[in-house]
Amino acid sequence: DIVMTQSPDSLAVSLGERATINCKSSQSILYDYDNKNYLAWYQQKPGQPPKLLFYWASTRESGVPDRFSGSGSGADFTLTISSLQAEDVAVYYCQQYYSTPPTFGPGTRVNVK
Amino acid sequence: EVVLLESGGGLVQPGGSPRLSCAASGFTFSSYAMSWVRQAPGKGLEWVSGISASGGSTYYADSVKGRFTVSRDNSKNTLYLQMNSLRAEDTAVYYCAKDTGTYHLTGHGMDVWGQGTTVTVSS
Repeated sequence: DIVMTQSPDSLAVSLGERATINCKSSQSILYDYDNKNYLAWYQQKPGQPPKLLFYWASTRESGVPDRFSGSGSGADFTLTISSLQAEDVAVYYCQQYYSTPPTFGPGTRVNVK
Repeated sequence: EVVLLESGGGLVQPGGSPRLSCAASGFTFSSYAMSWVRQAPGKGLEWVSGISASGGSTYYADSVKGRFTVSRDNSKNTLYLQMNSLRAEDTAVYYCAKDTGTYHLTGHGMDVWGQGTTVTVSS
């Protein structure tokens, strides 16, 4: 199974400041056939189900604010919130869908400082 | 509006065999693969099982293989998870989620999630 790790476990950022979350996979999840990274990012707010934010590592899902961005390739990925808003308080998960079983990172909790 | 509504959770004794259901609406259910994902109390997300759009292919996490069975009835727009031989470690919120592809892992993640149904395994 591909193991996903995330760092940090949690972070506290002032409103309007940048938040950066890292995600690493235990092997490359870049598929040579289509040159796509099989990585998604999800946001989970308290008491709610996860919400898809990005797929193919950097393609923003419809309706996701552009202060969110996804980047990276191969085995190293980053989710950035350029200007943290109060409504962004949540746990963020990366997930690989390169091979089964699809696996999630342990999550990164983002709070307001 | 695209909606997934899970049901069937509750308090179950160890060794019990509940069946979870997930009623789908607002999209062409028979065109998409579906998954079950669970979240133990205070923990992260764990993919449990997946099924292709036709129901012809099924997939399981090692932790549930041989105990859980996923199925679907495309005529009723409903996904199921038959859970057998439940253990305390199966206690979790169980979410059904719509895949973005027709077959398992042929899309780009899970774009629609239900609110979840809680299964608590305890005597």
